[in-house]
Amino acid sequence: GAGVSQSPSNKVTEKGKDVELRCDPISGHTALYWYRQSLGQGLEFLIYFQGNSAPDKSGLPSDRFSAERTGGSVSTLTIQRTQQEDSAVYLCASSSSLGGQGYTFGSGTRLTVV
Amino acid sequence: AQSVSQHNHHVILSEAASLELGCNYSYGGTVNLFWYVQYPGQHLQLLLKYFSGDPLVKGIKGFEAEFIKSKFSFNLRKPSVQWSDTAEYFCAVQGTYKYIFGTGTRLKVLA
Repeated sequence: GAGVSQSPSNKVTEKGKDVELRCDPISGHTALYWYRQSLGQGLEFLIYFQGNSAPDKSGLPSDRFSAERTGGSVSTLTIQRTQQEDSAVYLCASSSSLGGQGYTFGSGTRLTVV
Repeated sequence: AQSVSQHNHHVILSEAASLELGCNYSYGGTVNLFWYVQYPGQHLQLLLKYFSGDPLVKGIKGFEAEFIKSKFSFNLRKPSVQWSDTAEYFCAVQGTYKYIFGTGTRLKVLA
């Protein structure tokens, strides 16, 4: 597609429920990144994909968080048993190489855990 | 460990004032440097980037940044801001593949 598409744009969930966030990167972009943006915290790296593999999962906050990417394209970030501290904007970005030309970001998914 | 510091968290300026936003980074190797901007209600957009060569880089909308290697700095500047520059600005450093972002600076320009 023309840009990075994320869905849903907003998600309100009850504490303890599981959520799935979707990212559709720019066609042909091999690298895909997930970040979390919390108020006053800047952008926190979560995970990076090169193709379908995830060489770096070091930013995932806990084992409740997981992500996968299929077909070298769409990625899903799953948060199990959501907690209130998971509330944030989850951003996806893609790039044509290892980020050297700058990421293209999606609009994000605003997750609110109540 | 890599880190990025943006010392100005909130900046308020009048239109036509000059802008300089500070960015310092910590990384023990060659880096690529970026500034991103997030306008209200919009997604992050690349403002400018530095890979190598001329340390003074020019970006969109009249912004520029200067890489000073000895100071580990990459400050963003604009000679005369406009109301439409009201946004949040993020500095980022790339060492290997991932970007490390600063906490952002919220700029408000008064008309």
